[in-house]
Amino acid sequence: DARVTQTPRHKVTEMGQEVTMRCQPILGHNTVFWYRQTMMQGLELLAYFRNRAPLDDSGMPKDRFSAEMPDATLATLKIQPSEPRDSAVYFCASGLVTGTSVEQFFGPGTRLTVL
Amino acid sequence: AQSVAQPEDQVNVAEGNPLTVKCTYSVSGNPYLFWYVQYPNRGLQFLLKYITGDNLVKGSYGFEAEFNKSQTSFHLKKPSALVSDSALYFCAVRDGTGRRALTFGSGTRLQVQP
Repeated sequence: DARVTQTPRHKVTEMGQEVTMRCQPILGHNTVFWYRQTMMQGLELLAYFRNRAPLDDSGMPKDRFSAEMPDATLATLKIQPSEPRDSAVYFCASGLVTGTSVEQFFGPGTRLTVL
Repeated sequence: AQSVAQPEDQVNVAEGNPLTVKCTYSVSGNPYLFWYVQYPNRGLQFLLKYITGDNLVKGSYGFEAEFNKSQTSFHLKKPSALVSDSALYFCAVRDGTGRRALTFGSGTRLQVQP
């Protein structure tokens, strides 16, 4: 049963600390998405990659956030330095683009709390 | 730009009654439309999608959605609601070019009362 995995599931940190969230997409998927979910803003797209190349990261605060795909099995989202307003649930999703459409399969999320 | 509107923050329905969760969209060209469901403390799960073809799309757990091009709507429906259907439902849209990621609506919380 293939699924997207995310680590850690929960993270509590202090303001100013670096946070790294990891995602393992489903094997064979060529597209990876990072979303942030908050009560106030709902579900926001932060960045997405196709074939490991960033296609759109316009939703991501560039001064503190960075997203990478070191290889096809790992996507990372880093926040440095973290701020209390970054507290949210961060979801990774992966999909396979075949020319018509892509379904996105979501991971369970990383719940981040910045104190 | 593409956008999705879910006009209801919450929908309440009694178990056994039909349910409808509304969604309207705006996109250039032909839309690709999706419904996802989120249970508490879980990620989003795919329910169904419309790409082309029959306007009535059937999905998981007995849900279906009707694509209406003239009204730019894609309402989610189920003939008989279950208490276990209580969750947060998201409508999403993408244009046909494939250059954009999905744009999600704000979500509608469905509460099914026993």
